Amino acid sequence: AQRVTQPEKLLSVFKGAPVELKCNYSYSGSPELFWYVQYSRQRLQLLLRHISRESIKGFTADLNKGETSFHLKKPFAQEEDSAMYYCALSKRGTYKYIFGTGTRLKVLA
Amino acid sequence: GAGVSQSPRYKVAKRGQDVALRCDPISGHVSLFWYQQALGQGPEFLTYFQNEAQLDKSGLPSDRFFAERPEGSVSTLKIQRTQQEDSAVYLCASSLDRGGNTEAFFGQGTRLTVV
Repeated sequence: AQRVTQPEKLLSVFKGAPVELKCNYSYSGSPELFWYVQYSRQRLQLLLRHISRESIKGFTADLNKGETSFHLKKPFAQEEDSAMYYCALSKRGTYKYIFGTGTRLKVLA
Repeated sequence: GAGVSQSPRYKVAKRGQDVALRCDPISGHVSLFWYQQALGQGPEFLTYFQNEAQLDKSGLPSDRFFAERPEGSVSTLKIQRTQQEDSAVYLCASSLDRGGNTEAFFGQGTRLTVV
């Protein structure tokens, strides 16, 4: 079955501490992986996608096909990173996302 | 407008009532998607349009759900005879191209509460 698993509903870290939001997936084939973010009272927006290999707002994510993971990392958390983060996958070149249940990140002062 | 616009933002419906949710995608965007997000869950795919053609409706939970995009721009998601399990946030997204190779931009959603 195609599935995205985000094991943590809530992750609290102190400002300046490293952050890792976990994402594991189950998919037969070559999926495309994404991280979406939703800040308070704002719409869901794309943070990064694995094929672009970018670092956005200090966040990076590496696709590990062996472990079927796409964890989101940032070395030094900032208060403005507090938000809801969703990991998602799609069949490469298609439009139908499968989302995880999301992880709420709280960065404490 | 600058982004995907959805209306109404909030809708309270009595069980059994029909509702219509509207999505205005970004101008010129070919692809349009509807997702349903229940409380505490991630968004779940409902249906996909490429211009006016509904190419995938595999996620629609029952035949009470119907979506259209007659002129390839504005889309309407209609739910007939609403039930309590239909309570959710309904998200619309659009993207520029056909194949999912460009970013999908989401609207702010319509929160439907069925009482």
